[in-house]
Amino acid sequence: DTAVSQTPKYLVTQMGNDKSIKCEQNLGHDTMYWYKQDSKKFLKIMFSYNNKELIINETVPNRFSPKSPDKAHLNLHINSLELGDSAVYFCASSQDWRNQPQHFGDGTRLSIL
Amino acid sequence: ELKVEQNPLFLSMQEGKNYTIYCNYSTTSDRLYWYRQDPGKSLESLFVLLSNGAVKQEGRLMASLDTKARLSTLHITAAVHDLSATYFCAVGGGGSQGNLIFGKGTKLSVKP
Repeated sequence: DTAVSQTPKYLVTQMGNDKSIKCEQNLGHDTMYWYKQDSKKFLKIMFSYNNKELIINETVPNRFSPKSPDKAHLNLHINSLELGDSAVYFCASSQDWRNQPQHFGDGTRLSIL
Repeated sequence: ELKVEQNPLFLSMQEGKNYTIYCNYSTTSDRLYWYRQDPGKSLESLFVLLSNGAVKQEGRLMASLDTKARLSTLHITAAVHDLSATYFCAVGGGGSQGNLIFGKGTKLSVKP
């Protein structure tokens, strides 16, 4: 059983389009995250939700909007895609933000043409 | 602002050799994690280190944490090809819940 699942795995689209990435976790965790990994493999947190409440909102363009309909889901919507948005986006979850590791999904590779 | 530095960023080693990856961080934290990432794959949690002097071992990998020196090490013993991957350390940031700051990763290549 997949613990943290993201869809789609690959997303190829044109500049200016709007797209969404979905994430679901079946671990019963309270906290979920979105990370961006750039072409140099550098990972940076974008957002974090705890029990559907936004708790981390790093310096991210407001074209990116996370939505958490329930604590098992955290989706990421991106408006007006730009070339610089090309990256791998990882969803992650953790039970206890303080002491537990974060479990990562397989990533969504976003390519902007 | 918390900064995390790993070195080396690239490591090519022969099978059977030992080596250490270093992770330094700039401000106080009591949470440090090591992850492994294979090419094109997700991140796999290796170790969770939560206290000064913590040492954890799994197979050929051993991680330690010195919170006073703000340093963690990942020691590789008698490397094998299967250990080839990118290794990240991540440090718990002080403010926001669950905020992890990642190092840039160490790409390890183990050659026969």
